Amino acid sequence: EAGVAQSPRYKIIEKRQSVAFWCNPISGHATLYWYQQILGQGPKLLIQFQNNGVVDDSQLPKDRFSAERLKGVDSTLKIQPAKLEDSAVYLCASSFKYNLSYGYTFGSGTRLTVV
Amino acid sequence: QQPVQSPQAVILREGEDAVINCSSSKALYSVHWYRQKHGEAPVFLMILLKGGEQKGHEKISASFNEKKQQSSLYLTASQLSYSGTYFCGTLNSGYALNFGKGTSLLVTP
Repeated sequence: EAGVAQSPRYKIIEKRQSVAFWCNPISGHATLYWYQQILGQGPKLLIQFQNNGVVDDSQLPKDRFSAERLKGVDSTLKIQPAKLEDSAVYLCASSFKYNLSYGYTFGSGTRLTVV
Repeated sequence: QQPVQSPQAVILREGEDAVINCSSSKALYSVHWYRQKHGEAPVFLMILLKGGEQKGHEKISASFNEKKQQSSLYLTASQLSYSGTYFCGTLNSGYALNFGKGTSLLVTP
């Protein structure tokens, strides 16, 4: 089974520029998540999709971040304009059934450096 | 709400044991454990669903005390491959995971 695909792997941009990340979850996984992981910290949820609908985006900085999941498959996360504090690894995950709960499969992430 | 992990960091010699704790101020239905190696994505280890239940993965096991809202991860006879950062996660109201800050584990020869 193919894993969660993310691209690009690395990105370096200047502050105030825009950037987009792409994620393709495991086939058949209806729920997709974007997490932000700042160095030395645990992943922080940005947005959760169920098929192509948003379940939770309460921690997404909506003045600069946006995300979409057209057709309920792959997803794009955009930052515009970027700030220095956006430097982090952006992880995409999709969930699989595990007994009575759900586990996550994460993609390799996109490491963003804002200079 | 973010679960609290302790300790922040552990250094072990190969073959030694370690315990990582995870606690929450909210009632828990489940606790999830992940391991992340440097520069890689977190990898699923296990989910604890019932009070006092223990699960195992390799020589890694865990317990979950529903009443105390705590889970502990036990690493027995640690191997070099166990090095990494361990995260516990708890579900929020939308069934997404809130992760702790992580416990860094280094196993030395």
